[in-house]
Amino acid sequence: QKEVEQDPGPLSVPEGAIVSLNCTYSNSAFQYFMWYRQYSRKGPELLMYTYSSGNKEDGRFTAQVDKSSKYISLFIRDSQPSDSATYLCAMSEEQGAQKLVFGQGTRLTINP
Amino acid sequence: DGGITQSPKYLFRKEGQNVTLSCEQNLNHDAMYWYRQDPGQGLRLIYYSQIVNDFQKGDIAEGYSVSREKKESFPLTVTSAQKNPTAFYLCASSIWSQNIYGYTFGSGTRLTVV
Repeated sequence: QKEVEQDPGPLSVPEGAIVSLNCTYSNSAFQYFMWYRQYSRKGPELLMYTYSSGNKEDGRFTAQVDKSSKYISLFIRDSQPSDSATYLCAMSEEQGAQKLVFGQGTRLTINP
Repeated sequence: DGGITQSPKYLFRKEGQNVTLSCEQNLNHDAMYWYRQDPGQGLRLIYYSQIVNDFQKGDIAEGYSVSREKKESFPLTVTSAQKNPTAFYLCASSIWSQNIYGYTFGSGTRLTVV
């Protein structure tokens, strides 16, 4: 079993829809959770960062962490065609431990 | 502008050849990393380095080698011992003590065996 599981998709939704992307993990020591966005043939870029449990909102994006269920989510409201990309979750145990563990990535397409 | 530069963008390797992928950063980051990305498998860690002249194996180091002679540079050599080298290779850097900022990634090198 992989340490971090993420449905690779592909996921295709109409423009304006609410998108939900999810990851589950097995390591209860993970405390730092991130979402990266990767456009085709580019490197990933950090989208959201969350420490421990709770919600964090940034514009149309909301990240949720439920440590009791070992489950994290990224919600995209009012989705736009420019949101079409691969979304990768990543997590680590400690602030100083730089070895991030990544999910497989979910390929998302927003149709105009 | 600060960032990470990977070169070349596309690289073709013949069977039995060693090739070196370049990674340079001007962010003054301590740590640098090499990842391999294959469809459906996400990012897998090849090597990482916290400081100059020191590096550690990641999860899939076999068939790869690295050096860290300068803080700014972390080249990756894909040797002939790597049996399935066709992949997208990503270099990243970070401030070692502050995970909160995450990684900064380069734009990647796509390596194809011909």
